[in-house]
Amino acid sequence: DGGITQSPKYLFRKEGQNVTLSCEQNLNHDAMYWYRQDPGQGLRLIYYSQIVNDFQKGDIAEGYSVSREKKESFPLTVTSAQKNPTAFYLCASSMGTGNTIYFGEGSWLTVV
Amino acid sequence: AQTVTQSQPEMSVQEAETVTLSCTYDTSENNYYLFWYKQPPSRQMILVIRQEAYKQQNATENRFSVNFQKAAKSFSLKISDSQLGDTAMYFCAFMNPLSGNTPLVFGKGTRLSVIA
Repeated sequence: DGGITQSPKYLFRKEGQNVTLSCEQNLNHDAMYWYRQDPGQGLRLIYYSQIVNDFQKGDIAEGYSVSREKKESFPLTVTSAQKNPTAFYLCASSMGTGNTIYFGEGSWLTVV
Repeated sequence: AQTVTQSQPEMSVQEAETVTLSCTYDTSENNYYLFWYKQPPSRQMILVIRQEAYKQQNATENRFSVNFQKAAKSFSLKISDSQLGDTAMYFCAFMNPLSGNTPLVFGKGTRLSVIA
């Protein structure tokens, strides 16, 4: 089936550790996005990529890093520099800027 | 920068009734897109409806329709014949297709409860 797959669904991180959230899509979409969702807030853009080997910072990129080595993959690393990483993370993709964005099922990250 | 405001944090509606969720936005652009997304308890974000600003006709998808008032910068969602499965968070979102930094800007959401 075509879609966007995020893994893991639940992830626990110890303080000081880096963790990587996986996002894979088989929709042949050019653009991919990472959003963060906190309780009582909408989604905030972390990073996005319009083509392979290129990405741009969103509104809250500090403490995060990404790579886009393959069209279908856009992993997000939450570094130890991110002071409050506990949140729900959503990956999304689209045919490109201006097209409808579709979302994966999300990943929960908790700092323990 | 564009902003999206949803002034109703929570709403409830009786099953089979009609409910309208409000959304306003701020932009100086003339060409843009507006969306409503639904997020049920599973947290999956599901596209409900999309509206292009250049279209005067309001978008409709089955029981979901919008009232797009471009001059007033208003984009409300009407749900007719509400069903229990409509219980979810609803997010209004704005897209400026020419923007390189914020592909989709979201409001804070409205929590809708459909009551049997």
